[in-house]
Amino acid sequence: GAVVSQHPSWVICKSGTSVKIECRSLDFQATTMFWYRQFPKQSLMLMATSNEGSKATYEQGVEKDKFLINHASLTLSTLTVTSAHPEDSSFYICSARGTSWTREQYFGPGTRLTVT
Amino acid sequence: AQRVTQPEKLLSVFKGAPVELKCNYSYSGSPELFWYVQYSRQRLQLLLRHISRESIKGFTADLNKGETSFHLKKPFAQEEDSAMYYCALGDTGNQFYFGTGTSLTVIP
Repeated sequence: GAVVSQHPSWVICKSGTSVKIECRSLDFQATTMFWYRQFPKQSLMLMATSNEGSKATYEQGVEKDKFLINHASLTLSTLTVTSAHPEDSSFYICSARGTSWTREQYFGPGTRLTVT
Repeated sequence: AQRVTQPEKLLSVFKGAPVELKCNYSYSGSPELFWYVQYSRQRLQLLLRHISRESIKGFTADLNKGETSFHLKKPFAQEEDSAMYYCALGDTGNQFYFGTGTSLTVIP
C-alpha cells in the first residue's frame, strides 16, 4: 500500500515553455500532498504544501506564479513550471499523506526536468 | 530554525561493523520522528517511524526525548545498506522537516 506515482519520470523542455508534472496516490486518498525539489547530492527542499480543494501554501522564496500547484482531487496533484528557465532544471519529488494516518509521508519516484 | 540536524554528511564503515547515524531535533511539542532511506536511483522510502518501535532491515532507532535524539543503529552493517539516510520530523501541524542527510558507505 501507500504508493505514489509521478508522471513523467523525466522531461526536457525549451526555455520559455511550461511543463506539467502529475502526482498520484494510487491506493489511498491523500488530503495533503507536498512538492519538493532536490539538487544533486543534497537534501529535499520543500516547495509547497497542497491540501485537496484549497490553495497551496508556498515556502518562502518559492514563486507561486512560477510553480503552479493544483490539488483538484484526493488522488491527484499537479505542479506546473511556467516559463521554464535552465535554472529550473532539477529533480522534483512529490509526497502524500493519507487522511487518517500518522504524519509520515510517502514519496513518488521523482521527475527529472531539464530546461534547454 | 533548523529542526533536524544530521551532523555527519558522509559516513563509512566496514562490512560487519556497527553503524550509527546521528539525528538530533529541536521541537517543543510532540514530534513524530522518521528515518527515510534513498538507495541509488530509487525513491525515498520510509525506513522507520519512532512510534512503531520496530526493527527494519536490522535497523533500530530510539527516540530519546532527554537528548532530543533519534539515532539510527545497526549492529552489523551490510553492503546493501549503502545509501542516503534522512532523518525527518513531523510536527503537530502539517509541517515536515528533513535533515540534510547522511551518505552511508559500507566498505566490503
